[in-house]
Amino acid sequence: GAGVSQSPSNKVTEKGKDVELRCDPISGHTALYWYRQSLGQGLEFLIYFQGNSAPDKSGLPSDRFSAERTGGSVSTLTIQRTQQEDSAVYLCASSLGGWTGDGYTFGSGTRLTVV
Amino acid sequence: GIQVEQSPPDLILQEGANSTLRCNFSDSVNNLQWFHQNPWGQLINLFYIPSGTKQNGRLSATTVATERYSLLYISSSQTTDSGVYFCAVRKGSQGNLIFGKGTKLSVKP
Repeated sequence: GAGVSQSPSNKVTEKGKDVELRCDPISGHTALYWYRQSLGQGLEFLIYFQGNSAPDKSGLPSDRFSAERTGGSVSTLTIQRTQQEDSAVYLCASSLGGWTGDGYTFGSGTRLTVV
Repeated sequence: GIQVEQSPPDLILQEGANSTLRCNFSDSVNNLQWFHQNPWGQLINLFYIPSGTKQNGRLSATTVATERYSLLYISSSQTTDSGVYFCAVRKGSQGNLIFGKGTKLSVKP
């Protein structure tokens, strides 16, 4: 596609429920990143996929968070047993490669609210 | 880990004014980028600038890697420049970017 597409744009869920967030990167981009942004804060790295390499999961805050990337394209971020502190905007980005800024493009994000 | 500090945290300008935003980082990096987050939350990649100077219209950026800082210049500011400007760096073999807390810019008509 022309840009990075994320869905849903907004998600309200009850505490304790599981949620899945989707990211569709730009075609041909081998690198895909998930970040989250709490209200008024900077971006916090969550996980990074580069080609067929094992993902860098060093930013995942707990084992309730997981992500996969199927076929080197679409990625899904799953949060199990959501907590109120998980409320944030979850941003996905993709780029041509892992080591340069070429084409580093963000999606519009998914605003997650846990009530 | 590497620290990224941006200043000032907030900036209010009158339309037409010029400004300089600063980004200091605590260690050597192999990637530095500037992003603009508009009031609707969309992040736009402004510059990939690990060293040297680049210009794009009214915006320009300079990174002095040996002194561990980068500057973003905005000339003849417009109300559409409002938003938050983030500096982000990558070090070594890390794939992810480490973001500063941003500079919130408000341009008044």
